[in-house]
Amino acid sequence: RKEVEQDPGPFNVPEGATVAFNCTYSNSASQSFFWYRQDCRKEPKLLMSVYSSGNEDGRFTAQLNRASQYISLLIRDSKLSDSATYLCVVNIRGMGRRALTFGSGTRLQVQP
Amino acid sequence: NAGVTQTPKFQVLKTGQSMTLQCAQDMNHNSMYWYRQDPGMGLRLIYYSASEGTTDKGEVPNGYNVSRLNKREFSLRLESAAPSQTSVYFCASTDPGQSYEQYFGPGTRLTVT
Repeated sequence: RKEVEQDPGPFNVPEGATVAFNCTYSNSASQSFFWYRQDCRKEPKLLMSVYSSGNEDGRFTAQLNRASQYISLLIRDSKLSDSATYLCVVNIRGMGRRALTFGSGTRLQVQP
Repeated sequence: NAGVTQTPKFQVLKTGQSMTLQCAQDMNHNSMYWYRQDPGMGLRLIYYSASEGTTDKGEVPNGYNVSRLNKREFSLRLESAAPSQTSVYFCASTDPGQSYEQYFGPGTRLTVT
């Protein structure tokens, strides 16, 4: 079983739509959570951290449910420029020097 | 401020050949990492270096060696390349004293025939 699981998609949505991605993690020692964005053939970049109380950054909202061990990302009013792969990422306590464990990503395609 | 740089961007090797992937960062970060990314697998950690002079194995270290040459540079060596090592390789760095955010280089696309 993968440490971090995501629906690979693709999610095809029209501009302006709201879309949500979920991610589950298996290791209860996971202590920090993130969403990274990766454009086609580019490097991953941090989109936002995920806090226990939930957090929002503009059109993006991230939530964490520790009891069920899942993380979500909600994108409102989708733009064409949101088309990318979204990686769910966790830091597992004891894994060593803040190494991160990555999900395989969910691909989003926003269509005009 | 270039961030994290990697060379080469592309490489084709024959089975059994060796090569070194170079990575450098100019952010004064203590920790550096090498990942590989394969379709459907996500990024997997090959080796990491918590600080200058130390290296540790990650999830998939077999077939690779690393050198933390100084604080800026962290190289990855394939001694005898195999087709299973065809992948995209990313180097990353972070300052563990400040945050968990890792900054990635642009990647090296390696094909082993």
